[in-house]
Order: sequence, then C-alpha cells, then structure tokens
Amino acid sequence: DAKTTQPPSMDCAEGRAANLPCNHSTISGNEYVYWYRQIHSQGPQYIIHGLKNNETNEMASLIITEDRKSSTLILPHATLRDTAVYYCIVRVGANNLFFGTGTRLTVIP
Amino acid sequence: GAVVSQHPSWVICKSGTSVKIECRSLDFQATTMFWYRQFPKQSLMLMATSNEGSKATYEQGVEKDKFLINHASLTLSTLTVTSAHPEDSSFYICSASGTANYGYTFGSGTRLTVV
Repeated sequence: DAKTTQPPSMDCAEGRAANLPCNHSTISGNEYVYWYRQIHSQGPQYIIHGLKNNETNEMASLIITEDRKSSTLILPHATLRDTAVYYCIVRVGANNLFFGTGTRLTVIP
Repeated sequence: GAVVSQHPSWVICKSGTSVKIECRSLDFQATTMFWYRQFPKQSLMLMATSNEGSKATYEQGVEKDKFLINHASLTLSTLTVTSAHPEDSSFYICSASGTANYGYTFGSGTRLTVV
C-alpha cells in the first residue's frame, strides 16, 4: 500500500472549515483513499473514502486532485467534538489498513 | 449498520496471568478481522490478521504464542494475551471487514494494564 504524508498537527476555529491535507504521491490506480479519525481512547471512526471523484457525505467532503497524488478532507463547520487525530490511508482491495502518524486536529472555541 | 463490539473496554491483570479480549461483528459477517495495538501517543500498529476458520497471520515481531488469536465464527474473534507482563500494557483494537462501502469497522478498544 502507498505511503501517506500528513502534517502532524493543525488548529481550526470552531465553526470554520477544517481542511486536512494528505500527500500520497506513490498511489497506484486501483488504490482508494480512506479517511478515519480517532478520538482519544476510542477506536478509529470511518469518515469517507474515494477513488478518483470528489466525495461528500454527512460528515465531510473529500477532494482528490486530478493526478490523485494528494487529497484534502474538509470538515465544513468544525465543532469541538471534531478534535481528534485524522488518518489518511490508501488501500487496495481486501488489504488491511496501515496507519501513519495522522494529523492531530484541535478545534479551538 | 456495521457495528463491532469489543469487550472488555478495560482490564487490569497481574503479571503472569492471561487475558482474553473479544471482538464481535453485531450486524454483519466478518470474514476477516484485524488486531491492532496502540501505545500512548503513537499510531495503531497491526498485530495480526484473522480469517474465519484458519490460522491468523502475524506481523513481523509479534509473538504468535504470546498473542493467541481465534476466529471460530464469522462474528467472533478473540485475542488472548498469555503470561502478560507490564510491557504488554497497551490499547488493543480490533477491526472487521464485511461492508464494502465502509471499508473496515473498528471496535471501541480495550485498555489493558498489567501490574
């Protein structure tokens, strides 16, 4: 599975959009981009995933560049409960998920 | 849908004893389950992959005789930490695959403290 690179930490003001970047320059054509988050002392929570097209669900939006070498997770209106570590993972097929170091997002009141 | 229940959520045990952690998929059949370990302020590290009805596949450096994994049914996998030592204290998390749209669903984790 391709390696991902994320900034170690980010701050975001409550109510503003949080944009979390991820680089996956070695991604192959059949690898999906997944985003999970982990709130302190809990198991990771699925957020969203995509292959080529941008995706949106009730939690977030995922923007994937045309060359697929990077992506951005967007939380449109961050709340204090969105404070967590966010993991960007690329995976193909039934392979397991390998977690990088993630981005620690702190939402500030 | 796609709920994974992990039990217990926390456990304290004495050195030398064994501890069993259960991971259940409540509303789907999980042909594959994964066990992770997470030390404080670190990321999740995959320990082993468990397939129903067959032996688990362990990651390099994980002792299979110490971390016994059983996946006897499509809804249950267990991890037994045998002869636990204080260095085994960690946060253990399971995940299960069975729903294509969501990738993998994770349990809530088990915090093991060995004293």
